[in-house]
Amino acid sequence: EVVLTQSPATLSLSPGERATLSCRASQSVSGYLTWYQQKSGQAPRLLLYDVSNRATGIPARFSGSGSGTDFTLTISSLEPEDFAVYFCQQRDKWPLTFGQGTRLEIK
Amino acid sequence: QVQLQESGPGLVKPSETLSLICTVSGASISSYYWSWIRQSPGKGLEWIGYIYHRGSPKYNPSLESRLTISVDTSKNQFSLKLNSMTAADTAVYYCARVRAYGDWYFDLWGRGTLVTVSS
Repeated sequence: EVVLTQSPATLSLSPGERATLSCRASQSVSGYLTWYQQKSGQAPRLLLYDVSNRATGIPARFSGSGSGTDFTLTISSLEPEDFAVYFCQQRDKWPLTFGQGTRLEIK
Repeated sequence: QVQLQESGPGLVKPSETLSLICTVSGASISSYYWSWIRQSPGKGLEWIGYIYHRGSPKYNPSLESRLTISVDTSKNQFSLKLNSMTAADTAVYYCARVRAYGDWYFDLWGRGTLVTVSS
């Protein structure tokens, strides 16, 4: 199965700063990479699909890039509500798999 | 507004069978594909399987031998049965909507239900 490795495990930043989160796949997943945000005690929420397409209601400060095995989620200027855990997921190969998450915390 | 709600026991004994139901409101269950996903501290998020109102479900091979996912269109529900439960199956179990056939990501999730396996 495709293993997704996210880095860093924890990212400590301040509001207003730029966040860059990485997701690396053990084999190519083409452009079929999805990002979710999960706040404490809540279910994951769809952020970006197929690398860079924002889901309904997701602000423009969230963007994604990459292809093949290396992907990046960028939050251009952190808002207080952005501090959460972020997961990537691939849909190119069965079984569907998720990364282990990056925790974005307030510095 | 479409909502998903998981229901089932919070505690299951080792070797027993877990039965969970996901009730869908605000949309016809026949219009989408639906999935179960679980989250545990040790294994993170794990896709369990998906179901459509027609055809066969698709399962994660790691769970396939113990797993049954089915749909009840009359009740607008789908369900999960996982037998031979062990402590490793302790997790929060989510039901989720698949965006569309071929778009195998999840655009709507239930709140999740914690299942603990313990005697």
